[in-house]
Amino acid sequence: ETGVTQTPRHLVMGMTNKKSLKCEQHLGHNAMYWYKQSAKKPLELMFVYNFKEQTENNSVPSRFSPECPNSSHLFLHLHTLQPEDSALYLCASSPHRGSYEQYFGPGTRLTVT
Amino acid sequence: GQNIDQPTEMTATEGAIVQINCTYQTSGFNGLFWYQQHAGEAPTFLSYNVLDGLEEKGRFSSFLSRSKGYSYLLLKELQMKDSASYLCAVRDQDTGFQKLVFGTGTRLLVSP
Repeated sequence: ETGVTQTPRHLVMGMTNKKSLKCEQHLGHNAMYWYKQSAKKPLELMFVYNFKEQTENNSVPSRFSPECPNSSHLFLHLHTLQPEDSALYLCASSPHRGSYEQYFGPGTRLTVT
Repeated sequence: GQNIDQPTEMTATEGAIVQINCTYQTSGFNGLFWYQQHAGEAPTFLSYNVLDGLEEKGRFSSFLSRSKGYSYLLLKELQMKDSASYLCAVRDQDTGFQKLVFGTGTRLLVSP
């Protein structure tokens, strides 16, 4: 595997479910990011991790809980989501958080019913 | 506040030239990026401008004017595979952390 991978690619969940999104990067980067992409809206930064430490939480509701066990893996734990949380969730990585280029994964298309 | 504007949709024909504009208003500025995103795929990096002027990379060029808060992406010799969304993003140093602020993207449709 090369680049940034995300699983699952598609997820449908009910509002009472708990699920997790996984991101893995094979680029040796130290910074990882979660973004949300909703229809007709700009990409929104959610969380940033740098060397496994969370350095940014962009006022994200607590029903989204990130986890970064090491520099290569990033998770987004989901619980009691709302239908408006349906979106494409993109993971990205960069050599460090100050790097100008971010490499994106293909995203997880989430539908909350 | 932060605001990035780009046209929602553009159409062009194969072999033509198209210019996608982006205007921005951010509290800080430390570079402007263009990304390409095909439907259902990850955004991929196209270009980065931090100083005024034109950066050329093959068929794609990107221009920046910091005083005007303006950039454009120029695509030459259009090919069908260039049909995609083009995202303008500004690196904004708002709270000490340099984060990317994205526009909504311009969907480009290239027809034969």
